[in-house]
Amino acid sequence: EADIYQTPRYLVIGTGKKITLECSQTMGHDKMYWYQQDPGMELHLIHYSYGVNSTEKGDLSSESTVSRIRTEHFPLTLESARPSHTSQYLCASSVTDRSRTQYFGPGTRLLVL
Amino acid sequence: DAKTTQPPSMDCAEGRAANLPCNHSTISGNEYVYWYRQIHSQGPQYIIHGLKNNETNEMASLIITEDRKSSTLILPHATLRDTAVYYCIVRGYNNNDMRFGAGTRLTVKP
Repeated sequence: EADIYQTPRYLVIGTGKKITLECSQTMGHDKMYWYQQDPGMELHLIHYSYGVNSTEKGDLSSESTVSRIRTEHFPLTLESARPSHTSQYLCASSVTDRSRTQYFGPGTRLLVL
Repeated sequence: DAKTTQPPSMDCAEGRAANLPCNHSTISGNEYVYWYRQIHSQGPQYIIHGLKNNETNEMASLIITEDRKSSTLILPHATLRDTAVYYCIVRGYNNNDMRFGAGTRLTVKP
C-alpha cells in the first residue's frame, strides 16, 4: 500500500486567491508527479520532478508552479486562482526500479468561484 | 507509447470472475502493461503490471498474450466494491507520463 498524502481534499476559494496544494510521500521515492483531471475526463500530466531541486512541465500547459525542496514533499501553487482552474489535482510518486510504477494520492478537488 | 483500446463498459455478476480485455497491438519490447482503477474519481489505484510473463497478486491476475499485443485483467471473485473505471496503460521505461485514456467502466451487479 502506497503512503502518499494530499491536503486539502476539498477546497472552495474565490478568484484571485493564492493557493498551495500539498503532497507528501513517505516511501522515499525520487520521482513525483502532478496530474489534472476534469470530471469524467482523462488525467493529464502537468508537472513532474526527478528529485530534489528538479521540476519539469508536463504535456498539459498549466499556470501552476511546483517546487521540490525535500524528497518527500512536492507542493503545487496557483498564484491567482481563476474559475478555469477548477478541477481535481492528483499527486503521484514512483518507484525507482525499471517498472517505475506510479502510486497516487487521494486527490484535491478544487473549486474556484 | 503504444495506444491501448478497451471496451467502454462491462457488467459482471457479484462473485464471478471479471475479465477485462485490452488491446495494445503496437506495443514495443521495452514497454510495460499497467492496470489501474479509479473509484468515484478518487486517486487511481495501482492494481498490477507486467512486461512479458503473466502476473498475479492479491488483487488480480494479468494475462499477456505471447505476442504481447493484448492482455486481460482478471478479478477472480468480483465484489460490489470492484465497481470502478479500469485503465490499461502501456508505457516505456523513459516516459514520465501515464496516459490513462477512457478506460472500461466495470459494474458489478448483485
